[in-house]
Amino acid sequence: EVQLVQSGGGLVQPGGSLRLSCVVSGFTFSSYWMSWVRQAPGKGLEWVANIKQDGSEEYYVDSVKGRFTISRDNAKNSLYLQMNSLRAEDTAVYYCARDGSDYWGRGTLVTVSS
Amino acid sequence: SYELTQPPSVSVSPGQTARITCSGDALPKKYAYWYQQRSGQAPVLVIYEDDKRPSGIPEKFSGSSSGTMATLTISGAQVEDEADYYCYSTDSGGYHRVFGGGTKLIVL
Repeated sequence: EVQLVQSGGGLVQPGGSLRLSCVVSGFTFSSYWMSWVRQAPGKGLEWVANIKQDGSEEYYVDSVKGRFTISRDNAKNSLYLQMNSLRAEDTAVYYCARDGSDYWGRGTLVTVSS
Repeated sequence: SYELTQPPSVSVSPGQTARITCSGDALPKKYAYWYQQRSGQAPVLVIYEDDKRPSGIPEKFSGSSSGTMATLTISGAQVEDEADYYCYSTDSGGYHRVFGGGTKLIVL
């Protein structure tokens, strides 16, 4: 059974930092591109970032470039999203997902507010 | 930045065929994927690589792509198909992903 178990969300003040984690089981994690996707309250899905199988390439949506960093640890079957300089507009449910697939985590809520 | 354009809503009567479109300049060369999202739930993939249906997805869901437009077709739409539908693809460079703005399917 495929599982993507997320952790790390919560409430953070503007300008603060948060690290999201996603532990994968049920498929060969190191063989796939992985993505983070977010959904602000009442809004649509937004792709945030993705990372190549070996971690050698990563890409970001313009709105998070320079503030967010995606990374992975294939030995731990884990995907991460380091979020710095957080803004109110980053408030959303964040999902980890195997790129272009039906394998998604359940989502974790990140709230940026003072 | 690259964009995929969907109509905000599509409305059909029960039993009718619903068609949801997605337009993007890179679609002639890049696959389209379609996700269904019911209220409060995680997205579910209903079509991948333009026209392939994942296992467990009913045959009523089909996809096609021609030129700069991809289309999700739901045959015999029912109330339980009411959801938001998002197309998903890649820009011409091949690495930046993008979602369309989403289409609310209304069946009444």
